[in-house]
Amino acid sequence: DGGITQSPKYLFRKEGQNVTLSCEQNLNHDAMYWYRQDPGQGLRLIYYSQIVNDFQKGDIAEGYSVSREKKESFPLTVTSAQKNPTAFYLCASRALMNTEAFFGQGTRLTVV
Amino acid sequence: AQTVTQSQPEMSVQEAETVTLSCTYDTSESDYYLFWYKQPPSRQMILVIRQEAYKQQNATENRFSVNFQKAAKSFSLKISDSQLGDAAMYFCAYRWGAGGTSYGKLTFGQGTILTVHP
Repeated sequence: DGGITQSPKYLFRKEGQNVTLSCEQNLNHDAMYWYRQDPGQGLRLIYYSQIVNDFQKGDIAEGYSVSREKKESFPLTVTSAQKNPTAFYLCASRALMNTEAFFGQGTRLTVV
Repeated sequence: AQTVTQSQPEMSVQEAETVTLSCTYDTSESDYYLFWYKQPPSRQMILVIRQEAYKQQNATENRFSVNFQKAAKSFSLKISDSQLGDAAMYFCAYRWGAGGTSYGKLTFGQGTILTVHP
């Protein structure tokens, strides 16, 4: 089945550690996105990428990094510089000439 | 910058009745898209309906319809014949432009939790 796979579903991190969230899609979509969801704030854009080896900062990129070495993969690293990393993270993808974005099932990150 | 506001943190409806969720947005653009996404307890984001700003006709998808008031920058979602499975968080979202020009970035509202009573 075509879709977007995020892993793991739940992730725990100790303060001061970097952690990488995986996002893989087999929809042959060019564009990929990372959003952060906090209670009462909706989703906010962290990073996005339209093509391989190119990506741009979204509204809340500080403390995060990404890479886009392959079309189907867009991993997000939450660094120790992110002050409040506990949140729900959603990855999405979209065909460039299509309006609809498809979302993965998300990763819940908790800092312990 | 574009903003999207959902002023109803929570709404409730009786099964089989109709409910309307509100959304307002602010933009200086003329070419944009508006969306309603549903997020059930599984937290999977599901597209419910979309509206192109250049279309005057309101979008409809089965029991879901929108009231798009471009001048007022209002985009409400009406759910008819509500079902228990409609219970979820609903997000209104805005996307500027067409195709690759806007990079497809979505701006979301804060969400409305919809409860459906049997």
